[in-house]
Amino acid sequence: QVQLQQWGAGLLKPSETLSLTCGVYGGSFTAYYWSWIRQPPGKGLEWIGEINHSGSTNYNVSLKSRVTISVDTSKNQFSLKLSSVTAADTAVYYCAGYTGKFWGQGTLVTVSS
Amino acid sequence: DIVMTQTPLSSPVTLGQSASISCRSSQSLVHTDGSTYLNWLQQRPGQPPRLLIYKISNRFSGVPDRFSGSGAGTDFTLRISRVEAEDVGVYYCMQGTQLLSFGGGTKVEIK
Repeated sequence: QVQLQQWGAGLLKPSETLSLTCGVYGGSFTAYYWSWIRQPPGKGLEWIGEINHSGSTNYNVSLKSRVTISVDTSKNQFSLKLSSVTAADTAVYYCAGYTGKFWGQGTLVTVSS
Repeated sequence: DIVMTQTPLSSPVTLGQSASISCRSSQSLVHTDGSTYLNWLQQRPGQPPRLLIYKISNRFSGVPDRFSGSGAGTDFTLRISRVEAEDVGVYYCMQGTQLLSFGGGTKVEIK
């Protein structure tokens, strides 16, 4: 069984950089793309981007200029950085894999001055 | 980008009755490998999404057989038979054929 566990800072000020990491336990880290998805309070799901084990990435065009997703295959981890955050970036951020079969527990990130 | 459109926005249902949710994609979800990567997710209040159905009609591990999926091409349906109280939540369709994108969600509530 695959488990995803994520961690990172939950409170940021405007203009700071959001940073989250997701660890993958069990299953095959190399067989799939690994995604970051977010959900603003009371709203739906928005795909942020994805990465595979070799570092190949795809990003949502609406966030591409501010997003960097990286991978550490030695630790079976992948990370998200989102720069220049504003209140509009306040959301629960999820990591996910296997085309949505497995999800992290979610991290509420609040951007407030 | 593939846009996913779900209807209805809300579905009040009586316990023991059925509910149906529709999902339409802006283009065919048939992948070049022949598979159709259309999934259905359930999100209970305060919890992360959970996969119910993958590739149109395959129930994920532990999902009751009250949940079933059907469809092809651009039109898909999730059906919940004999609705139980634990089925309350928001349901999302999700495509993985071309990157990932999600429908807007359908809230299932008990009348």
